[in-house]
Amino acid sequence: DAEITQSPRHKITETGRQVTLACHQTWNHNNMFWYRQDLGHGLRLIHYSYGVHDTNKGEVSDGYSVSRSNTEDLPLTLESAASSQTSVYFCASSEVPGPGTEAFFGQGTRLTVV
Amino acid sequence: GIQVEQSPPDLILQEGANSTLRCNFSDSVNNLQWFHQNPWGQLINLFYIPSGTKQNGRLSATTVATERYSLLYISSSQTTDSGVYFCSNQFYFGTGTSLTVIP
Repeated sequence: DAEITQSPRHKITETGRQVTLACHQTWNHNNMFWYRQDLGHGLRLIHYSYGVHDTNKGEVSDGYSVSRSNTEDLPLTLESAASSQTSVYFCASSEVPGPGTEAFFGQGTRLTVV
Repeated sequence: GIQVEQSPPDLILQEGANSTLRCNFSDSVNNLQWFHQNPWGQLINLFYIPSGTKQNGRLSATTVATERYSLLYISSSQTTDSGVYFCSNQFYFGTGTSLTVIP
């Protein structure tokens, strides 16, 4: 079955370190998204991609970067981790909007920056 | 950006009761979807509903795109319906409705 997986599921890192969160989908979807979820804010969009070599900034992109070298993967990099980036991160994928289009989410990555 | 308001923020139901959750957008939206986040944190797509009405078992949803709102109906609620319900256009999410269904 097609799926979307995130790794690691949990990570603790130190302030200032570079961290990369992985997202891999086997749906062959063109669209991929990264969100963070914090209490009181719901989910907020960090970056998104509509296809290979395409990346776009979302609402809360400062301090984050992504790259899309193939259809299946959209890794999220925190260039220099800060305590404010402690959060739960979700990756999602979807096909080009159209009838029946729906988004599928990974299990989430809980990141703690100490 | 678009503002997404969901109501009510919290809801407690007795098992078997019905409920209506509402989602208002500040501007016109495409790709409106409803999600359920279960108590373990998993996000499940319920409906992709840019307009019209859809039903899936005890759940149904209606979106009136011209008036920028969507409704999610839960009938005969079960304890497994507990969790947080979000609406979204994939770019903006509401802050959710937290539902607790009591046996």
